[in-house]
Amino acid sequence: QQKVQQSPESLIVPEGGMASLNCTSSDRNVDYFWWYRQHSGKSPKMLMSIFSNGEKEEGRFTVHLNKASLHTSLHIRDSQPSDSALYLCAAASSGSWQLIFGSGTQLTVMP
Amino acid sequence: NSKVIQTPRYLVKGQGQKAKMRCIPEKGHPVVFWYQQNKNNEFKFLINFQNQEVLQQIDMTEKRFSAECPSNSPCSLEIQSSEAGDSALYLCASSLLEDEQYFGPGTRLTVL
Repeated sequence: QQKVQQSPESLIVPEGGMASLNCTSSDRNVDYFWWYRQHSGKSPKMLMSIFSNGEKEEGRFTVHLNKASLHTSLHIRDSQPSDSALYLCAAASSGSWQLIFGSGTQLTVMP
Repeated sequence: NSKVIQTPRYLVKGQGQKAKMRCIPEKGHPVVFWYQQNKNNEFKFLINFQNQEVLQQIDMTEKRFSAECPSNSPCSLEIQSSEAGDSALYLCASSLLEDEQYFGPGTRLTVL
């Protein structure tokens, strides 16, 4: 069973709208979460990382983390067509540097 | 922008053939990772190195897959006898210790 679950599998939002993506780990040893974005035919690029409870904002992107439930979410406000991509959540535990990826959320922003 | 270099970008092999791909990590990054991303976008960690030493690897890697990161040479991942199920995007990433991983463009392997 996948240790990192993402939802929804796909999401369509209108340009200017808010996109909300979810990610939960079933591995209690996880300490760190990253969000990567992968455009079609390209390699993943790190968007944001979050290691502590709470919220972190960078421009139009906000991530939340609840360490007790091992749940993180990514919110994109004022979504743009260029935000259309596969969004990957990745988790890792201290001392094990390998990333465990979810299957991703395919975001489409309609002009 | 990532400065991880992967070659070749595309690789086509017949079943049973060897497939070899290379990775030059970002300068100054001691840790190198190999991941496999299949057509369903599922990632599988294969192996990682700190400098020339293997840190972690999965069982699959111990059998048909071999990898190395020699000093002063590119890292490499080789599949000894390719199978159709090995068709995937192979991503190399590098990082500082316990830091963000920067991914290369990948090698897309097709096994006919």
